[in-house]
Amino acid sequence: QVQLQQWGAGLLKPSDTLSLTCAVSGGSLNDFFWSFLRQSPGKGLEWIGEITQSGSTNYNPSLESRVTISVDTSKSQFSLKVRSVTAADTAVYFCARGTTVVVPPYDYWYFDIWGRDSLVTVSS
Amino acid sequence: EIVLTQSPGTLSLSSGERATLSCRASQIVSSSYLVWYQQKSGQAPRLLIYGASNRATGIPDRFSGSGSGTDFTLTISRLEAEDFAVYYCQQFGSSPYTFGQGTKLEI
Repeated sequence: QVQLQQWGAGLLKPSDTLSLTCAVSGGSLNDFFWSFLRQSPGKGLEWIGEITQSGSTNYNPSLESRVTISVDTSKSQFSLKVRSVTAADTAVYFCARGTTVVVPPYDYWYFDIWGRDSLVTVSS
Repeated sequence: EIVLTQSPGTLSLSSGERATLSCRASQIVSSSYLVWYQQKSGQAPRLLIYGASNRATGIPDRFSGSGSGTDFTLTISRLEAEDFAVYYCQQFGSSPYTFGQGTKLEI
């Protein structure tokens, strides 16, 4: 049973760097894409970006200038950094596994496994 | 980016009734890239439907999805107490992947 365990600092000051790490247990990083998402009352669910086992990344343009997602295959972990946070970055953050299933002629994509939420609050 | 608009915002129904939730996209989304999730308070979203109409593993057959192009529907045929939650549609057709704002299904 694949599980995602995430952790990181919960209270930050404006201009700090948000750091979250998500550990994958019970499965491999291979053949999936690994994402971070966040949820706030004002913006709903927002996809932040993704990374593959080989380190290929794809980011939401709205956050791309401040975000880095990295992967450590030796530890089966992937991590998020968001620089120069403001109150607008206050949200519940999730990591999730993205799966692609090919059933010709279709390919299906979905987030099937999620980590437990991490509340991040940015306040002076 | 593709904007997904869900309606209604809140749906008030009783156990045993049928629920119909709508998701409209601002651009055509391939059906294979349209997903529905259920979220209960304090929990992460749970995968319900992928490819617009395929139930995920373990999802009861009272949940069904349909639609194509820009209009998609999630139907719950006979509501049970555990179904009262918030439902989100999401698209993978174009990056950035986006979610609807959710439909709250309440008793």
